[in-house]
Amino acid sequence: NAGVTQTPKFQVLKTGQSMTLQCAQDMNHNSMYWYRQDPGMGLRLIYYSASEGTTDKGEVPNGYNVSRLNKREFSLRLESAAPSQTSVYFCASSYYSGAEKLFFGSGTQLSVL
Amino acid sequence: GENVEQHPSTLSVQEGDSAVIKCTYSDSASNYFPWYKQELGKGPQLIIDIRSNVGEKKDQRIAVTLNKTAKHFSLHITETQPEDSAVYFCAASITDSWGKLQFGAGTQVVVTP
Repeated sequence: NAGVTQTPKFQVLKTGQSMTLQCAQDMNHNSMYWYRQDPGMGLRLIYYSASEGTTDKGEVPNGYNVSRLNKREFSLRLESAAPSQTSVYFCASSYYSGAEKLFFGSGTQLSVL
Repeated sequence: GENVEQHPSTLSVQEGDSAVIKCTYSDSASNYFPWYKQELGKGPQLIIDIRSNVGEKKDQRIAVTLNKTAKHFSLHITETQPEDSAVYFCAASITDSWGKLQFGAGTQVVVTP
């Protein structure tokens, strides 16, 4: 049972490059989330998907887009990376819609030079 | 929106002693309060959660207490062990708020032998 799988684990980008972070869960969860983690700031919500076919903005959505491809997969896209997007990104999922009992992936460490 | 403050930012305890982490929240409508543990290089993992209709909840060596009047909640770890060393995050949300879980900044706990 893999849980929440994120790829890649590490990525280095140059300013202006684009990339997509992939996330998949095998727990038949309904809601999925993307967070970023910066030192001293906890986790901040970028986007979430309460159910298949729906997405909504979180606290820090600027510079990102998401796609809920199906019930299992939720991807995060950076169209034109900026140094301010250097962070650790976590995908999470939950059976519930209210961000209860979240299961997190192991994270993607992204550096934008 | 909700604001969650967490103290202390770092906590060093002797093995076998107790550790206490405190959080305050701003939105009196918040009714769900989870605690997550993050080990180095891993994603956060839910260790315990409490709802506003309960004042205290225990699970083996960990317990959480909630004071709705003062709008604060605390995590208590008894008989600390080296494997308790990690970063701990508190969070608060309204359960029907569709993903708006607000995290504290985290507490680095170090258990020394």
